Amino acid sequence: GAGVSQSPSNKVTEKGKDVELRCDPISGHTALYWYRQSLGQGLEFLIYFQGNSAPDKSGLPSDRFSAERTGGSVSTLTIQRTQQEDSAVYLCASSPTGGSPLHFGNGTRLTVT
Amino acid sequence: SQELEQSPQSLIVQEGKNLTINCTSSKTLYGLYWYKQKYGEGLIFLMMLQKGGEEKSHEKITAKLDEKKQQSSLHITASQPSHAGIYLCGASRISGTYKYIFGTGTRLKVLA
Repeated sequence: GAGVSQSPSNKVTEKGKDVELRCDPISGHTALYWYRQSLGQGLEFLIYFQGNSAPDKSGLPSDRFSAERTGGSVSTLTIQRTQQEDSAVYLCASSPTGGSPLHFGNGTRLTVT
Repeated sequence: SQELEQSPQSLIVQEGKNLTINCTSSKTLYGLYWYKQKYGEGLIFLMMLQKGGEEKSHEKITAKLDEKKQQSSLHITASQPSHAGIYLCGASRISGTYKYIFGTGTRLKVLA
């Protein structure tokens, strides 16, 4: 079956521009995660959605970052006024329920010039 | 500070050799996961450990979680070039929650 799909796979943007990254989770998965992976670094937790509960936003690095999940399915991560330090691979993952293994997408590589 | 420490950070071994990767936390871990990542790709789930002392094996890979649930190890027997990649451990630090944090990863290279 289809896995977690992320788009675009690559995004190059100028400093100061806004970007939107999209994640289509596996159908029926109630949990959705966003992580950021910088060069040579591990995964940095950003935000976690579980069903209709309020999302855990504790990992968002600044108020320039926001995410939403519409209809309990597709999620969009928005970065406003991008900075060069935002350059990284943004990974989305979903799972059937909390406590189940996460299924990861291939990520969006964001480059801010 | 990194909440999940992995060691070593990188590893180069000759094909056929055994190797071990460690994942350590100063606090109890809940739902310990091991993933493998190849360059430019997402993470592939390997194994999940939940109980102290638990051990699981799949093909030539064995993962263990210590009794205190603060340290896990991943052991590869008779390594092959196909084992090359980045291995990451991930876990929740709070029981009953699913905010998973990850280690910095161990980059493995296997020489043929």
